[in-house]
Amino acid sequence: AQSVTQLDSHVSVSEGTPVLLRCNYSSSYSPSLFWYVQHPNKGLQLLLKYTSAATLVKGINGFEAEFKKSETSFHLTKPSAHMSDAAEYFCVVSGQGAQKLVFGQGTRLTINP
Amino acid sequence: DGGITQSPKYLFRKEGQNVTLSCEQNLNHDAMYWYRQDPGQGLRLIYYSQIVNDFQKGDIAEGYSVSREKKESFPLTVTSAQKNPTAFYLCASSIRGQGKLFFGSGTQLSVL
Repeated sequence: AQSVTQLDSHVSVSEGTPVLLRCNYSSSYSPSLFWYVQHPNKGLQLLLKYTSAATLVKGINGFEAEFKKSETSFHLTKPSAHMSDAAEYFCVVSGQGAQKLVFGQGTRLTINP
Repeated sequence: DGGITQSPKYLFRKEGQNVTLSCEQNLNHDAMYWYRQDPGQGLRLIYYSQIVNDFQKGDIAEGYSVSREKKESFPLTVTSAQKNPTAFYLCASSIRGQGKLFFGSGTQLSVL
């Protein structure tokens, strides 16, 4: 069985400062991991995905995430926050058979001017 | 433009009424999904379909029904048996066996 825990329900940073959104996972199989972003009243958009190639994954809009098996973590980072990054972010795990993804509870990112 | 279209954007349901949410995709994807989103609870899977004329229950299928008569379409009916239907409903599609989902813009369902 797979599960995912997003460690912060809300993160607030100032524009131009680094962003860190934390995610821990549990999986019986070698997992695929994803980060999705959702802007208000919109659908979700894929930011990046890990599928057992490089452990450091680069995504869109300057985001990246590092897969750490020993820590069962897949934290999302960005060096410098922009106002347009304000959104809800979801960490997702997919185990054997990608038809069922398990979503984390979401982290709401607020950017202060 | 290729993508997923959900309609309507807002929907209101009266007590005891069934309502149907539309989801159409032109991405030629085999797999389609319905998720329910409640504040602070992430997304929960209602139903999914890997191929035409076949679908499977997700984690919270009670009070919902679906059909998959065409590859492009996967409508969701919220029946009167669903006692707490107020939520944001998201439809998604993917290439079968892949975890990358493409989402529609969602339908907000509220009870009158």
